[in-house]
Amino acid sequence: SQQGEEDPQALSIQEGENATMNCSYKTSINNLQWYRQNSGRGLVHLILIRSNEREKHSGRLRVTLDTSKKSSSLLITASRAADTASYFCATDPPGANSKLTFGKGITLSVRP
Amino acid sequence: KAGVTQTPRYLIKTRGQQVTLSCSPISGHRSVSWYQQTPGQGLQFLFEYFSETQRNKGNFPGRFSGRQFSNSRSEMNVSTLELGDSALYLCASTPRGGAKNEQFFGPGTRLTVL
Repeated sequence: SQQGEEDPQALSIQEGENATMNCSYKTSINNLQWYRQNSGRGLVHLILIRSNEREKHSGRLRVTLDTSKKSSSLLITASRAADTASYFCATDPPGANSKLTFGKGITLSVRP
Repeated sequence: KAGVTQTPRYLIKTRGQQVTLSCSPISGHRSVSWYQQTPGQGLQFLFEYFSETQRNKGNFPGRFSGRQFSNSRSEMNVSTLELGDSALYLCASTPRGGAKNEQFFGPGTRLTVL
């Protein structure tokens, strides 16, 4: 089963607006990562937040992590048409040989 | 640095055939993971190789296999192809010394089974 569950499944906004995407997970984690995928292409690593961090920024991206609620959010500020893509959260559980587990993704459409 | 490369980018096969996909990780990355992505199941982990050894394996049948060479390049093989094997196959490499499981993906191989 998927460890990370993103919400909403699809999001459509106007260029310039902010986009907020959420991810919930079930078990403890070492870190949580967000990836972007443009239609049918490979995934691009956006940002990683460790379990002992609460917030992280990278350019127009802001990620928060609440380990007590087992949830994370990705905020894209001042969205652009080029941000149109699918966004995935991925959780890295503890354990030397743990594997990254992806959610099903959120489809973001940014209208020009 | 060059990114992760995968060959071929597109492949069409028929049921019952076998296929081999190739992945070259980013220079210096020793861990390579493979994923299958389909609209219905999303991203499913296939296996991970590190220093030529399989370190982790997902829940796929034995028709799916892989290997890693001494230069860290990896191949995955699918034998006796089924229609349901049609998918985007993604390879990812992990940097040495980076956060565990921070992965850098290739563009994928789109496999169509007819």
